[in-house]
Amino acid sequence: QLQVQESGPGLVKPSETLSLTCTVSGGSISSSTDYWGWIRQPPGKGLEWIGSIYYSGSTYYNPSLKSRVTISVDTSKNQFSLKLSSVTAADTAVYYCARTLDYGEPPFHYWGQGTLVTVSS
Amino acid sequence: SYVLTQPPSVSVAPGQTARITCGGNNIGSKSVHWYQQKPGQAPVLVVYDDSDRPSGIPERFSGSNSGNTATLTISRVEAGDEADYYCQVWDSSSDLYVFGTGTKVTVL
Repeated sequence: QLQVQESGPGLVKPSETLSLTCTVSGGSISSSTDYWGWIRQPPGKGLEWIGSIYYSGSTYYNPSLKSRVTISVDTSKNQFSLKLSSVTAADTAVYYCARTLDYGEPPFHYWGQGTLVTVSS
Repeated sequence: SYVLTQPPSVSVAPGQTARITCGGNNIGSKSVHWYQQKPGQAPVLVVYDDSDRPSGIPERFSGSNSGNTATLTISRVEAGDEADYYCQVWDSSSDLYVFGTGTKVTVL
């Protein structure tokens, strides 16, 4: 059973960079059919897609966040990562990593438990 | 950008049927997915590609999609169905995954 799990600091200061890692277990991040994504949810609010990556390194970003987001992959560790720069209180959210079969129409079948990141000084 | 509109809340008595709508421009031309999210938990996919169910999801969950509205139907509602529900599509014109505004289902 494939699983994904987020990890990283739970507190980030304003203007700094948020960094999270998603570890994939029970399967290979290098699967030719899989794409890996980041989604966030501010407290009490809805879901927002941040971006996705393929094991080859191809990336796809939400245009509203593109200038601040970098998603990368480390196939040797079966991990992919998120960096969000110049954070503000508006970036406080639960951050989820998830998997889709292909990019585009397929849904996010597998989700991590999520990790709360608070932006505060 | 593409917008998906859901009613903020739906209330239903146990054993009855809950219908949650998701409105979007010509949404019938897109594949719609539905997620259930209970408090403090990650979303769980309950319906994909308009009307298919992942393994382990009860047949009580069904979906339809036509015109400008997609609908998630929960038949014979149980207390355990109380949760937030989100629809989701991929908008090819903007290359963007879009989630609906979310609907809180309350079982009376």
